[in-house]
Amino acid sequence: TQLLEQSPQFLSIQEGENLTVYCNSSSVFSSLQWYRQEPGEGPVLLVTVVTGGEVKKLKRLTFQFGDARKDSSLHITAAQPGDTGLYLCAFNDYKLSFGAGTTVTVRA
Amino acid sequence: DAGITQSPRYKITETGRQVTLMCHQTWSHSYMFWYRQDLGHGLRLIYYSAAADITDKGEVPDGYVVSRSKTENFPLTLESATRSQTSVYFCASSRGAAVSSNTEAFFGQGTRLTVV
Repeated sequence: TQLLEQSPQFLSIQEGENLTVYCNSSSVFSSLQWYRQEPGEGPVLLVTVVTGGEVKKLKRLTFQFGDARKDSSLHITAAQPGDTGLYLCAFNDYKLSFGAGTTVTVRA
Repeated sequence: DAGITQSPRYKITETGRQVTLMCHQTWSHSYMFWYRQDLGHGLRLIYYSAAADITDKGEVPDGYVVSRSKTENFPLTLESATRSQTSVYFCASSRGAAVSSNTEAFFGQGTRLTVV
C-alpha cells in the first residue's frame, strides 16, 4: 500500500481542456513535491509545496497544498500536447517516496 | 559531463546471473536513491543512501545489494537475477532530505533491464 494515493490513474483529454489530478494521504507532510516524467526519461521536479493552503503557479499549472497538509492537487489550464506525461507526487523524509502517478495524455 | 548518469542504458541478462547497474553523479549530493518503475506501481524505492558508507532499505529491497564507498557512485547489484526483476531502474540524487534543505531530486535516464 502506497502512502500517497494519486487519482485518476489515467486521464485523456483534448487540447485546450482543463484537468486536475490529485494526491491524497492520511498522513501529514512537511512538504510535497510534484514531478513530471516524459517517456524514456527520468522524472523532473515541477514544484515543492511547503505551507498548508499554499498555491503555486507555474505558467498554466497550478499546485495547491491542502490546509491540513495531507493532500495536494495539480490543475492544468488549457492543456497542450506538451503537457503529456506521467505526473508524480512525492514526499522526502530522508527516503524520497512517490505515489503511483497519473498518466496524462493530451490529444491534439 | 556534469549531472547524473546511469549505465548501461539497456541490459539483457539470464535468470540466476549477477548484474550491476551503475550510477554516477558529479554534484557531490549527499543523498542517492535507487528505484524500479513498473506499470501501475510508479516509482518504488529499492535502497537509498544518506552519505558515503550509509545505506538503508526502501520499500522493495529483497534481491538487491547496494554499496557507497564514494559519494559520487551508488551501484546496484542484483545478486541472482529473476524474471520479476525485469523493470526500468532509475537512480536519483539530492542535496538534502528535509524541508529546510534543497530536496529536489535529479534523476538519471534509467536502465531498462530484461531478465530472460
